[in-house]
Amino acid sequence: QKEVEQNSGPLSVPEGAIASLNCTYSDRGSQSFFWYRQYSGKSPELIMSIYSNGDKEDGRFTAQLNKASQYVSLLIRDSQPSDSATYLCAVKADRGSTLGRLYFGRGTQLTVWP
Amino acid sequence: DADVTQTPRNRITKTGKRIMLECSQTKGHDRMYWYRQDPGLGLRLIYYSFDVKDINKGEISDGYSVSRQAQAKFSLSLESAIPNQTALYFCATSRSSGAIGDTQYFGPGTRLTVL
Repeated sequence: QKEVEQNSGPLSVPEGAIASLNCTYSDRGSQSFFWYRQYSGKSPELIMSIYSNGDKEDGRFTAQLNKASQYVSLLIRDSQPSDSATYLCAVKADRGSTLGRLYFGRGTQLTVWP
Repeated sequence: DADVTQTPRNRITKTGKRIMLECSQTKGHDRMYWYRQDPGLGLRLIYYSFDVKDINKGEISDGYSVSRQAQAKFSLSLESAIPNQTALYFCATSRSSGAIGDTQYFGPGTRLTVL
């Protein structure tokens, strides 16, 4: 069973701060990593993907990947109340019989207060 | 129009009833998935289909069955609903290449309540 663990939260930060969300995974063969945002009662929405070690920036979001440590993170700069949501880390099986399947963490609930 | 649609969006039913949840997509993806989500438990895979003739069980398939009627349609059935199947159900799709970067896109969800 492929494991994906996220910091349990909930995480609460003031508006304008940096929110840091972390995720570790067990499958060393995985090459594709994704962050989804999910508002309460809504469906998960893809916000970031990362495949290479290092940082990937998209607006206020930065994804970081360290394959040696099997660690992926998401930083949200200048956090806004509209960022308040649950963030799901997803790791794709890129080999073997489960090729193409996504394995999700349980999510970290983020609250940004004004 | 949404790329992935689910019907119904909300359903309340009674224990023992047969329920079908439907998913349709216009993304042209070959792969389709059914998940359920419960508070604190994250997304759990029920069934997935890599093409019309390929259907596989996920982690929690007991009590559920599926039908892949066409590339664009994937239905989930609860043969005899029970209260612990009360949850939010999501359909998702992805391309068939399995290439790095291919990921899943979710429908809006069905909120199912079994009394």
